[in-house]
Amino acid sequence: KQEVTQIPAALSVPEGENLVLNCSFTDSAIYNLQWFRQDPGKGLTSLLLIQSSQREQTSGRLNASLDKSSGRSTLYIAASQPGDSATYLCAVIGRDSNYQLIWGAGTKLIIKP
Amino acid sequence: KAGVTQTPRYLIKTRGQQVTLSCSPISGHRSVSWYQQTPGQGLQFLFEYFSETQRNKGNFPGRFSGRQFSNSRSEMNVSTLELGDSALYLCASSLGLGTGGDSPLHFGNGTRLTVT
Repeated sequence: KQEVTQIPAALSVPEGENLVLNCSFTDSAIYNLQWFRQDPGKGLTSLLLIQSSQREQTSGRLNASLDKSSGRSTLYIAASQPGDSATYLCAVIGRDSNYQLIWGAGTKLIIKP
Repeated sequence: KAGVTQTPRYLIKTRGQQVTLSCSPISGHRSVSWYQQTPGQGLQFLFEYFSETQRNKGNFPGRFSGRQFSNSRSEMNVSTLELGDSALYLCASSLGLGTGGDSPLHFGNGTRLTVT
């Protein structure tokens, strides 16, 4: 059964720092991996989608990498800003999970001005 | 382009009642999927509809049901409400099958359901 873990559960850093969020999954047979952000009381915003054949995706100050063999993905945020404060979730679509999204619990990120 | 719209934003119901939640997808999107978010269980997939047909279903009891109309709008129904059904219910739309992973998901702001 696919399980997705995100460590740490919470992270607080000063503005301007580069940071890395981690996501690990137990079954490497995935279709894709996605990163989302969720602001308090709001829905989710899709950030990056990495297909299983890809190694990384970039969007602005965000870069996500995927290493299927080790069951890991990282989300790199460059030059963090207070507006980046949110909960970041990763989710995988597994070939053996009936193509359902399996979610991590998220990392709550606080960027201090 | 208008985003995904969920109504109502908040609902308070009593145990044993039933509830219907509504989701209007982005214009042109044919897939609508539903998710339950709770502090204890996190995000869990409920089901996905594409072109009025349920294409995928999560591990929820039969009290949770849904449907999709010809204009792609979707409704989710929960019957015989239990205290544990209190959650944020999110819907997402996508151009293609969202659970197929080819199209990014666009989420609404959710409906906060409280069961007392």
